[in-house]
Amino acid sequence: QKEVEQDPGPLSVPEGAIVSLNCTYSNSAFQYFMWYRQYSRKGPELLMYTYSSGNKEDGRFTAQVDKSSKYISLFIRDSQPSDSATYLCAMIPYGQNFVFGPGTRLSVLP
Amino acid sequence: DTGVSQNPRHKITKRGQNVTFRCDPISEHNRLYWYRQTLGQGPEFLTYFQNEAQLEKSRLLSDRFSAERPKGSFSTLEIQRTEQGDSAMYLCASSPARGTRGYTFGSGTRLTVV
Repeated sequence: QKEVEQDPGPLSVPEGAIVSLNCTYSNSAFQYFMWYRQYSRKGPELLMYTYSSGNKEDGRFTAQVDKSSKYISLFIRDSQPSDSATYLCAMIPYGQNFVFGPGTRLSVLP
Repeated sequence: DTGVSQNPRHKITKRGQNVTFRCDPISEHNRLYWYRQTLGQGPEFLTYFQNEAQLEKSRLLSDRFSAERPKGSFSTLEIQRTEQGDSAMYLCASSPARGTRGYTFGSGTRLTVV
């Protein structure tokens, strides 16, 4: 079993839809949780950063962490064609390096 | 300083040749990381530097790979005797000494070994 699992998609939704992206993990030592967006031929860019269980909202994006279930989610409201990208979850145990999920490819259709 | 810069953006090389990539981090960041990303996968950690010291290397970093950061600023990643399995995107990231929020990736160098 990989440390971080993520449905690779592709996921296609119509413009304006609510998108739900999820990751599960097996290492209970993970303490910090991030979501990155990666456009084609570009490096990942940080979208959301969370530490504790619960929800964190930033504009159209909400990150949710459930440490008891080892499950994290990213919700995108009012999705736009410009949101079409690969979304990577990443997590890190204290003092160590990032472990990334394989990414979910999202297409938002106009 | 506009971010993490990587050169070249693309490299095509024949199997068995050596290649070298360069990364220029954000100037005030003293940590620098190298990752490898293959198609359909997330980035995989290769190695990291704090200033000029290489503090950690992944088991993915075989003897054919070497990374340097001689003056604690830019870094180079060299692959000797390239193999087709080395074809990937090589990403560099940098961060400040503390915390993970400032972790910034470059656009990567895409290597194709033919």
